[in-house]
This record gives sequence, structure tokens and C-alpha cells, in this order.
Amino acid sequence: QVHLVESGGGVVQPGRSLRLSCAASGFTFRSSGMHWVRQPPGKGLEWVAVISYDGDNKYYADSVKGRFTISRDNSQNTLYLQLNSLTAEDTAIYYCAKDLRGGYDYFDYWGQGTLVTVSS
Amino acid sequence: NFMLTQPHSVSESPGKTVTISCTRSSGSIGTNYVQWYQQRPGSSPTTVIYEDDQRASGVPDRFSGSIDISSNSASLTISGLKTEDEADYYCQSYDRSNKVFGGGTKLTVL
Repeated sequence: QVHLVESGGGVVQPGRSLRLSCAASGFTFRSSGMHWVRQPPGKGLEWVAVISYDGDNKYYADSVKGRFTISRDNSQNTLYLQLNSLTAEDTAIYYCAKDLRGGYDYFDYWGQGTLVTVSS
Repeated sequence: NFMLTQPHSVSESPGKTVTISCTRSSGSIGTNYVQWYQQRPGSSPTTVIYEDDQRASGVPDRFSGSIDISSNSASLTISGLKTEDEADYYCQSYDRSNKVFGGGTKLTVL
């Protein structure tokens, strides 16, 4: 049974940084691409970033490019998202999601999310 | 980049059939697969349909997906509506550099 558990969210001041984690189990993590998707409170879904199974390829939404960094540790079955230079527009629930087909284009399993609130 | 446009809300009675549309603004809907995700209140999204018309594991056959090249749109159809189907539904597709979600449709089963 696939299980994805995000952590690391919280309240952070504008301009500061935060690192999110996603602990994975129930599937072969080292063989799967992984995504981050976010959802501002009361709003829709926005794709944030994807990383290939081996960590060699990473792609980002324009809205976070240059500020966020996706990474993974296959020895620990853990996905990360480093969030820098945060603004109020980054306030959202952040979900990790498992890539479905290996093309890094869509998702099958989602975590429960972790809330990031950017506020002074 | 393209956009995916969904109706803001739809409502229907239990036992009936409802269809939610998702229209692509530019480029052909048939170029890249369309997925559908369900998000019940207070929960994270779950995958309902992938690759236009494939049901995800555990999804009942009351849910079906399709695309229509002529209208450049995708559709999610739910038959035999149940109160548990009340949720937000998001379509999603992609191009070379981006993954795009529709704005979501709130389904009310009343």
C-alpha cells in the first residue's frame, strides 16, 4: 500500500526559507519520479516541481524557478522541497505525489499535505 | 502555455448522471493525456481517471473519462450518483515544460 507522508510545514516570515520532506513507503521509491503540487487555501491545484527517479532531472513551474529546489534521498525513501525567498503567494498546502507512468507528467498517489503559511 | 477551463460548479440528484467538461485553450486535447482528480472536503486529491479514459485502481465503473477532438475538450462522467461523490474535481494535462490543472469543478449531489 503506497503511503506518502509530508512534514516540515509551518509559519515562516516573508523572505525566509523552509524545507519540506515526504517520506515514502509501499512502493519502489528509487524507481519512481516524484512531484510536488501545492494548493493555496480555498483555491485550486498548482504543479510545483518534478524529479526523476535517479534525481538527475528536475523541472519547475515558472512561479518557483530559481527559489525552490526539489531533491531526493533514495537510501532514505524521502523526497524534499527546499523553499527559499518565500512570499505570501507561496502560502499553500504542499502535497507530494508519485509519478504514474515514468513520463513525469501526471500522478497516481498523493500524500495528505503539509501547510506552509508565509506571514510576518 | 495553455489553460484548462472547467465549469465552476455542477449539481445533480442521487442516482442521476453528471458530466464535467474540461476545455483546452490552445493545442489539441488529443496531443497529451488528460487526467481527473477527486478532492473531497478536507482531504487530499485522489486519482480517478488517467490517460483520458483509464480508471485508477479501486475507482468504480460509474466513473468514465473521454475526450472530444472536435470541441477540444475532455469530460468526466459519473453515473448513478451517490452522496459520497460530492467533491471538487480537477482535470489535468501537460505540455513539454509544464503540468496544467483546470480550476476545478465543485460537484454537489442533492
